[in-house]
Amino acid sequence: AQKITQTQPGMFVQEKEAVTLDCTYDTSDPSYGLFWYKQPSSGEMIFLIYQGSYDQQNATEGRYSLNFQKARKSANLVISASQLGDSAMYFCAMRGGRGAGGTSYGKLTFGQGTILTVHP
Amino acid sequence: DAEITQSPRHKITETGRQVTLACHQTWNHNNMFWYRQDLGHGLRLIHYSYGVQDTNKGEVSDGYSVSRSNTEDLPLTLESAASSQTSVYFCASSQGLFAGELFFGEGSRLTVL
Repeated sequence: AQKITQTQPGMFVQEKEAVTLDCTYDTSDPSYGLFWYKQPSSGEMIFLIYQGSYDQQNATEGRYSLNFQKARKSANLVISASQLGDSAMYFCAMRGGRGAGGTSYGKLTFGQGTILTVHP
Repeated sequence: DAEITQSPRHKITETGRQVTLACHQTWNHNNMFWYRQDLGHGLRLIHYSYGVQDTNKGEVSDGYSVSRSNTEDLPLTLESAASSQTSVYFCASSQGLFAGELFFGEGSRLTVL
């Protein structure tokens, strides 16, 4: 079974500074994908970034980058130059591949989320 | 633009009543999912479908059912609503089963009194 752990219930950051949101995972699947979603106070789920387990380079999307450390089973989200609009709940999620029984194939498993507050 | 819509967005019901939450997507995605979101638990998978006539149980499926009679719709039914099913429900769909992102609906807030 897959498990995603986000150990930071809440994080605070000053506007224009960088912040790292932690995510660790556990899986027996040989291949998997890691996702980050943002949920602002309005409630919608917004896809931010994706990292495949066999990708050689860390994923980046604008101000978002994923610090992927496979051996440590971590997939931390780094937000550079924080903006007030970045204040939201952030979810880390994992999707398994076809290997290892494929029981997690196709399905996203989510962490508990981290609430990020950006101060002016 | 293609989209995924949920209805109703808000519903209040009484314990024991049957409730159906609708989910409709226009992307022609084969894969559809229902999640519930509760404080401290993130999003948990209720049921999912990989195509017409295919349905599967997720980690919190007790008390819920789904049916998939066409590609566009995956309604979620609570056969006999319980207070423990008060939650925010999200429907999602995806084209792929590995690398592709899930596209989420706006969510349906259900309160069971």
